[in-house]
Amino acid sequence: KNEVEQSPQNLTAQEGEFITINCSYSVGISALHWLQQHPGGGIVSLFMLSSGKKKHGRLIATINIQEKHSSLHITASHPRDSAVYICAVIEFVGGAQKLVFGQGTRLTINP
Amino acid sequence: DADVTQTPRNRITKTGKRIMLECSQTKGHDRMYWYRQDPGLGLRLIYYSFDVKDINKGEISDGYSVSRQAQAKFSLSLESAIPNQTALYFCATSDLPPRTDTQYFGPGTRLTVL
Repeated sequence: KNEVEQSPQNLTAQEGEFITINCSYSVGISALHWLQQHPGGGIVSLFMLSSGKKKHGRLIATINIQEKHSSLHITASHPRDSAVYICAVIEFVGGAQKLVFGQGTRLTINP
Repeated sequence: DADVTQTPRNRITKTGKRIMLECSQTKGHDRMYWYRQDPGLGLRLIYYSFDVKDINKGEISDGYSVSRQAQAKFSLSLESAIPNQTALYFCATSDLPPRTDTQYFGPGTRLTVL
């Protein structure tokens, strides 16, 4: 079982829909990243959070440390939101930082 | 100009060849990372460096070596490339905690080993 599991693996929705992508992890972490990978391959960091909730434009990320779960929400989705969204957790192993990635969720927003 | 650059962007090579992928950053970050991405496996850490004198193996370092020539430069070498090293390779940088652990990624290098 992977240390970081994302669901769903693929998601197709219509423009305007509210989108939720989930991330569950099984290890103790210091923080969690949400990343966006564009169709051309480039990766952009969206959020880093260690507790509570963060909002940036139409994107909202939440984390529940006790339940080891995070969600990424997109409100009023748009075709330009189509990308792969990757959850990554930061854990410390032997005093060193280790970043563990989920497999990603491929999101397609149709006009 | 991009903060994190990688060269080359695409490379096709043959089994047994030595390959070097280069990463440069202008963000002034001490920490640099090399990842590979394979379909269905997500990103995996190859090596990371917390400063010029600090190099650490990641989860899949076998078959790779790195060199941190300066704060701004971190190179990844495949001493003798093999086909299962065909992947998309990403370099990333991050600042020191507690400022932020946010990682900034380069555009990626697509490597094909025939």
